[in-house]
Amino acid sequence: QQQVKQSPQSLIVQKGGISIINCAYENTAFDYFPWYQQFPGKGPALLIAIRPDVSEKKEGRFTISFNKSAKQFSLHIMDSQPGDSATYFCAARGRGSTLGRLYFGRGTQLTVWP
Amino acid sequence: EAQVTQNPRYLITVTGKKLTVTCSQNMNHEYMSWYRQDPGLGLRQIYYSMNVEVTDKGDVPEGYKVSRKEKRNFPLILESPSPNQTSLYFCASSPDGRANYGYTFGSGTRLTVV
Repeated sequence: QQQVKQSPQSLIVQKGGISIINCAYENTAFDYFPWYQQFPGKGPALLIAIRPDVSEKKEGRFTISFNKSAKQFSLHIMDSQPGDSATYFCAARGRGSTLGRLYFGRGTQLTVWP
Repeated sequence: EAQVTQNPRYLITVTGKKLTVTCSQNMNHEYMSWYRQDPGLGLRQIYYSMNVEVTDKGDVPEGYKVSRKEKRNFPLILESPSPNQTSLYFCASSPDGRANYGYTFGSGTRLTVV
C-alpha cells in the first residue's frame, strides 16, 4: 500500500517555466513532509521540507504548498532551469508507532529543456 | 566532511552467495535506515534502527538482515541473494526520529544478482 501518492511520474518543462509536482497521503499520523532531489548516480538530497502547521514554505525558487484538510502537498519550482533536471521525491514522516520512518512517493522525473 | 559512506558502490553476485553491504556515518546520528530503489516504485524502506541494538522491519524486509552493534555502522546482509533483490540500495541516517533535518543519504550500492 502506497502511503504517499505522487504525480506526475514525469514532467517536461521549458526553461523559465513553473514545475509543479503533487503528492497526497491518507495517514494522518505524519508530522513532517520533506522533498528530496536526486541526480543520476547520486543519493537523494533534502531540498525543502514543511511541517503540517504551516501552509506554505518558500526557499529561493522552491515552494511547498500544504493543504492539511485535503491531505495534499505540492512542490513548485519557479523559473525552472536545466540544472533542476532531476528526480524529485515527496515524503512523509511517521510519528507514534512509526516514529521517524519516512514514506516516499514514487518519484517524478523532471526535465527542463533550454 | 559529514557523510554516509556505503560500500561497495557496485556489486555483481550469484544467487545464494551471502553478501554484506556496509554503511557508516560520521555524524553521531541515532537513526539509520536502508532503502531500495526500483524504477517506478520509488524508495522503499527495508529496515531501520532507532539506536544501537534497536532495529525494526520496514516495508520490504524479506530476504534481508541488519545489525546495529555500533552507533556509526549499519550493515545490510543478504544471506541468500535472489535475482529479485537486484536493485539500487541506499543507506540513510538522521539525528533522531524527530529531528527536522531530514535524512542524509549515502551514494548508493547498485546490486545485481544473477
